[in-house]
Parts: sequence; C-alpha cells; structure tokens
Amino acid sequence: TQLLEQSPQFLSIQEGENLTVYCNSSSVFSSLQWYRQEPGEGPVLLVTVVTGGEVKKLKRLTFQFGDARKDSSLHITAAQPGDTGLYLCAGVTQGAQKLVFGQGTRLTINP
Amino acid sequence: SQTIHQWPATLVQPVGSPLSLECTVEGTSNPNLYWYRQAAGRGLQLLFYSVGIGQISSEVPQNLSASRPQDRQFILSSKKLLLSDSGFYLCAWNRGAGQGGSPLHFGNGTRLTVT
Repeated sequence: TQLLEQSPQFLSIQEGENLTVYCNSSSVFSSLQWYRQEPGEGPVLLVTVVTGGEVKKLKRLTFQFGDARKDSSLHITAAQPGDTGLYLCAGVTQGAQKLVFGQGTRLTINP
Repeated sequence: SQTIHQWPATLVQPVGSPLSLECTVEGTSNPNLYWYRQAAGRGLQLLFYSVGIGQISSEVPQNLSASRPQDRQFILSSKKLLLSDSGFYLCAWNRGAGQGGSPLHFGNGTRLTVT
C-alpha cells in the first residue's frame, strides 16, 4: 500500500496550458516536500510546506498543503517545456519522523 | 557550499559479481546519509540510512549492505549481484533529526545494469 498517492502518474500537455498534480494520503504529515527530477539526475528540492493550508509560490508554480496536512497540490500556470520532468512529493510522518515518497508524476510539456 | 559526489555514473556488472558504489559529501560535518533505489522513472525506495559513523539502519532486507567508514563517506555494497539489483541508485544527505530533518540533497545517481 502506497502511503502517498500521486495523481496523475503521467501527464502530457501543450505549452501554455495549466495543470495540477495531486499528492494524497490518509496519514497526517509534519511537513511535505516537492522535488523535481530530470533524466539521469537526482531529485532537486522545489519547496517544503509545513503549516496546514500553507500556500507557497515559486514563479509559475504554486504549492498548497491541505488544511489537515494529509494532502498537497502543485499547480503550474502556463507550462513551458522546461517544466518537463518527474515531480515527486515526500512527506515526513508524524511520530516516527520518516520520509515517504510518492510514486511520482511524469510531466511532459510539448512545444 | 555543500556538494555530494556519487560514482560511478553508470555500471554494467554480471550476475554474481561484487558491487561497490561510493558517495561522499563535502562542506558539512556529521550529515545523515541515505541510499535510495529508484525503479524506472518512479518513486524512491529507501535502502539504508546512517546518522553517524558505523551506524547503519536497513529499511529493506535484501542482497545489499551499506557502510560508513568515515563521517562523510557512504558505501553501498553487494557480494553477489542479482538481476533484480538493476536500477538507479541515489545517495542523499540532510541535517537534523534524521529523515525528519532538513530536505534531502541528492547525488546524480548510479545507473546499475546487472546482466
């Protein structure tokens, strides 16, 4: 059973479109991280959200942590080919303080 | 600034041969160190983590082992590789209270193909 479910698993859209990626769980997390990974490289941190309801913006990327700290979303406005990559969410579990990763969303932005 | 080095970048090994992947971190002391394996384009599976020299925690029973002979050096090994050991191996570090500490910094990975 996957503790963190990401959806969609694959997404291919045209340049200029908007998109949202979801990261859902039945568990509560102390914090949640989003990473982006390009082929042949390691994941790179985009953002960490800590407070329920928190919204963080990184240029055209908007990250939101759910009020109950069980889910998160990543919204990209006017997607560009440079946004192509594997997006991974990772949550720090309460208590045990373990970091669990979602299975990732493979995003392709077509010019 | 801190950097993490992982090598080799790619490796092709026959079944039954030994394995040694090395990871070193520069610019920080007493980091938490991690080995992950990633299936093709998917999420990360934690294999081992270490909060200090000689302290190794294994998350998944398998054909692999890890060692931390120095503060900033983490080694992933196997005595006899299996076909199922093929994959993309990532080393990472962070500070603070283990996995709940600061976000992870990853190396660029090693693509291992067992033939």
